[in-house]
Amino acid sequence: RKEVEQDPGPFNVPEGATVAFNCTYSNSASQSFFWYRQDCRKEPKLLMSVYSSGNEDGRFTAQLNRASQYISLLIRDSKLSDSATYLCVVNIGWQNFVFGPGTRLSVLP
Amino acid sequence: EAQVTQNPRYLITVTGKKLTVTCSQNMNHEYMSWYRQDPGLGLRQIYYSMNVEVTDKGDVPEGYKVSRKEKRNFPLILESPSPNQTSLYFCASSSPGGRGNEQFFGPGTRLTVL
Repeated sequence: RKEVEQDPGPFNVPEGATVAFNCTYSNSASQSFFWYRQDCRKEPKLLMSVYSSGNEDGRFTAQLNRASQYISLLIRDSKLSDSATYLCVVNIGWQNFVFGPGTRLSVLP
Repeated sequence: EAQVTQNPRYLITVTGKKLTVTCSQNMNHEYMSWYRQDPGLGLRQIYYSMNVEVTDKGDVPEGYKVSRKEKRNFPLILESPSPNQTSLYFCASSSPGGRGNEQFFGPGTRLTVL
């Protein structure tokens, strides 16, 4: 079983739609959690950290459920510029980061 | 401008010919890492470094070496490259505490080993 799993997609949604991505992790000792965004052939960039209480940044909301070892990302009012691959990332300690395979999103006009 | 740079950006080489991919950051970050990205597998950590002269293996260290003689530089060395090391490589740096250990990535090095 992979340490971090994501639905690979692709998710094809119309502009303005709400879309949710899920991620599960297997290491119960995982310490911190992130969502990164990666555009085609480019480097990943941090979208947001994920906190136990849940957190929101504009149209983006992240949730963490430690008991179920589950992380989610919700994007509201999708824009064309949101088209990218979204990577779920888990820090299992001492700068040892595990990336999920990513979920590809295409927002269509 | 705060950035992580990698060189070369593209490299085609042959099996067994030693190569080095350089990585440099100008943000005075303590932590640096190397990753490889392959289709369907996502990014996998090769090595990481907590500070000068402190390095440790990630998930896929076989066939790679690193060194951290200076804080800003973290080169990746392939002593005897093989075709299964054909991949997209990213270097990253971060500092403790900042945005929960946000990693800043370099632009990537696309390596092909024939």
